Amino acid sequence: GAVVSQHPSWVICKSGTSVKIECRSLDFQATTMFWYRQFPKQSLMLMATSNEGSKATYEQGVEKDKFLINHASLTLSTLTVTSAHPEDSSFYICSARDPEGTSGEMVYEQFFGPGTRLTVL
Amino acid sequence: SQKIEQNSEALNIQEGKTATLTCNYTNYSPAYLQWYRQDPGRGPVFLLLIRENEKEKRKERLKVTFDTTLKQSLFHITASQPADSATYLCALAPYDYKLSFGAGTTVTVRA
Repeated sequence: GAVVSQHPSWVICKSGTSVKIECRSLDFQATTMFWYRQFPKQSLMLMATSNEGSKATYEQGVEKDKFLINHASLTLSTLTVTSAHPEDSSFYICSARDPEGTSGEMVYEQFFGPGTRLTVL
Repeated sequence: SQKIEQNSEALNIQEGKTATLTCNYTNYSPAYLQWYRQDPGRGPVFLLLIRENEKEKRKERLKVTFDTTLKQSLFHITASQPADSATYLCALAPYDYKLSFGAGTTVTVRA
């Protein structure tokens, strides 16, 4: 199946600094990637939809100036948490669809990265 | 507002038994519903998808039902094994591929 990687897998940073998280589709081209945030014992919350070559679409309540998304190529999307604060500490997960999925259902399946644990001190 | 609710309690079952998880939703008309498995500290892994016009879908030891009248999906793991221990997430979506997830149900299978 399709593979999505994330880097780094975990990061600890000081309050006020910026952190960049990379999401890559390894064996397929993803025109659309999704960024989620997950707090302990809670569901994944969609933050934004990342579109290759255009601006990201943010969900209601997500600050686009704080969570910068760049989808510069068909295999790479980045999420930058700017001026991070302790309340930004969370598990960030990206996903991607394979639009060339060989069956009807595979078009809807999302392939998730392993996640990035961000801790802001 | 839209709401997706899964079993609030964790599920502890004996190996070999069937685990049944529920996913209920309100104020939502999904085109399809998906089930994912998530292990601690990892991203979700896709298991099954069922469309709004389908009643039941099976894959190996997994079975999913979808009742759009009751606004409910049931997820069954038959002949459960300790390796099935994980958190299972249901996710709903309209046709634009944006998924809305439930909080998940943690299943522990005892040997």
